[in-house]
Amino acid sequence: SAVISQKPSRDICQRGTSLTIQCQVDSQVTMMFWYRQQPGQSLTLIATANQGSEATYESGFVIDKFPISRPNLTFSTLTVSNMSPEDSSIYLCSVTGQGGDYGYTFGSGTRLTVV
Amino acid sequence: KNEVEQSPQNLTAQEGEFITINCSYSVGISALHWLQQHPGGGIVSLFMLSSGKKKHGRLIATINIQEKHSSLHITASHPRDSAVYICAVEGLDSNYQLIWGAGTKLIIKP
Repeated sequence: SAVISQKPSRDICQRGTSLTIQCQVDSQVTMMFWYRQQPGQSLTLIATANQGSEATYESGFVIDKFPISRPNLTFSTLTVSNMSPEDSSIYLCSVTGQGGDYGYTFGSGTRLTVV
Repeated sequence: KNEVEQSPQNLTAQEGEFITINCSYSVGISALHWLQQHPGGGIVSLFMLSSGKKKHGRLIATINIQEKHSSLHITASHPRDSAVYICAVEGLDSNYQLIWGAGTKLIIKP
């Protein structure tokens, strides 16, 4: 399966600032997703990162707040913009579709605390 | 009603016990996934099933497509098995997106 490097692993940020999270995969993958997991909750899909075009956002998430880039088949970024304490969560990237194996691989997560 | 239901929500057992976690779903699926999330947050894919049964070490996963039900079993449980176990399904027209269960928090006591 694919190996994902997700950075940073954690950060503490001031409200009103922005943080960009990177997800680098060691092989080309078909699909890349960004999730949020709030404390004690299950994962919530933020968006599907589309290569070379705008991401597809789920209900409740908008591009201005969570801009996503995917310049190629191995890399994506998620930015959490104008942060507030409510954005404190774990953010995870996930991939599937690598070389015919349709299991899912997850990044190690970014634990974000907004103060 | 959630499309993917897991039970139990929490499970505490003694080391060595046989563990069963259940997952029921209400939509047509192309595949069902069992995943494990440790307290540090990392998620590991355990199984992907579309029919029958799979085994990996002490873990066994089964699925009954007609009954829309899957089970994850752990034999000879160990404290290191303590984690949240999540069932997730790919709907038939989901474009690889997963529908997530709420997870089962498993604690194995020594």
